[in-house]
Amino acid sequence: AQSVTQLDSQVPVFEEAPVELRCNYSSSVSVYLFWYVQYPNQGLQLLLKYLSGSTLVKGINGFEAEFNKSQTSFHLRKPSVHISDTAEYFCAVTRRSGNQFYFGTGTSLTVIP
Amino acid sequence: DTAVSQTPKYLVTQMGNDKSIKCEQNLGHDTMYWYKQDSKKFLKIMFSYNNKELIINETVPNRFSPKSPDKAHLNLHINSLELGDSAVYFCASSQEPSGVDRCCQYFGPGTRLLVL
Repeated sequence: AQSVTQLDSQVPVFEEAPVELRCNYSSSVSVYLFWYVQYPNQGLQLLLKYLSGSTLVKGINGFEAEFNKSQTSFHLRKPSVHISDTAEYFCAVTRRSGNQFYFGTGTSLTVIP
Repeated sequence: DTAVSQTPKYLVTQMGNDKSIKCEQNLGHDTMYWYKQDSKKFLKIMFSYNNKELIINETVPNRFSPKSPDKAHLNLHINSLELGDSAVYFCASSQEPSGVDRCCQYFGPGTRLLVL
């Protein structure tokens, strides 16, 4: 079975500071990994995804994530955050042979002016 | 040209009522899902349909009944609504991940249900 752990439920950070949102997963098989963003009162949008190839994945809005197989992690980073990045961020995993997504419990990022 | 759409966007109703939420996707995907997001933002899958066939049915009260009239639609009917049903319900769709480009879920905007 797969599971996703987002250790930080809330992350406050000052504007223009860097941020890292942590995600760890557990799986005995190969997986695809994703980060979704949910802005207030909106649905989830795909931020970036790791399918194969380069372990450093770049997404929209200046975000990137690095797949680390040995540490079973897929942490999300941004070198300089904006107020508009304030949102809920969800890490998700799915098996390469399946189509059920497993979501983490989310990390609420608050950017402080 | 919205990819995944849900109606209604907001739903306020009394306990005991029966209500339906509709979902439509125009992406040509084979698989559709319903998720429930509680007040703590926890996202939990409820159902999944592939080509109109139920493939995932998590532990959900049988007051919730999904219906898929065709591949592009997955509606959620809820009988005898309870206070605890208050949440945001998201519909999503995906192509089966048999290829690297067909991996991801696309979400609708959500339906905010409030049971009084």
